Amino acid sequence: QVQLQESGPGLVKPSENLSLTCTVSGASITNSSYFWGWIRQPPGRGLEWIGTVHYSGSTYYTPSLRSRVSFSVDTSKNRLSLRLSSVTAADSAVYYCVRHLAWTRVPAAGTPCFDYWGQGTLVTVSS
Amino acid sequence: SYVLTQPPSVSVAPGEAARMTCGGNNIGSKSVHWYQQMPGQAPILVLYYDSDRPSGIPERFSGSNSGNTATLTISRVEAGDEADYYCQVWDTSSDHRNVVFGGGTKLTVL
Repeated sequence: QVQLQESGPGLVKPSENLSLTCTVSGASITNSSYFWGWIRQPPGRGLEWIGTVHYSGSTYYTPSLRSRVSFSVDTSKNRLSLRLSSVTAADSAVYYCVRHLAWTRVPAAGTPCFDYWGQGTLVTVSS
Repeated sequence: SYVLTQPPSVSVAPGEAARMTCGGNNIGSKSVHWYQQMPGQAPILVLYYDSDRPSGIPERFSGSNSGNTATLTISRVEAGDEADYYCQVWDTSSDHRNVVFGGGTKLTVL
């Protein structure tokens, strides 16, 4: 059973950097068939995709956050990390770790879906 | 950028069918995925590739996609289906791939 577990500080000050970690169990993060990434949800609002990363280094980012986001993958610990710089109150959200198939693995005319989600971790940006 | 439009709310009586739409420009040419989010919980995938169901999702959940509208239908709605539902596509119109979610529909079982 694939499980994703997010961890990180629940409170971050404005202008500081947010760092979150997602530990994966039940699957190897080095499985070439999958990308791993992040989706967030501000309180009471909808889902916003942040981006995804392949252990080989390939990444996809949402354009609005591209300049502030970076991902890293620790294959020895089977986990990935998110770093979001210069946060503001607008970055307050529940952050979910997710998995999707690589584009090369989906059927013709299909696209990847997010088949596994972590339980999410709430991050509040406040002084 | 590509936009997906979902009605904020849908209400149905138990046993009736619930139809939730997801509108987008020529969405019929895209592959649509649907997620269910219970209050306080993470979303789960309920339909992928327009109409395929993951293991464990009841047959009551079905989907269609044509023209400018994709639809998630839940037949014989139960109280336990009350949740927020989100549609999702990939926008590949620019030089990079981008995930787009609809704003979500809150399903209320009367």
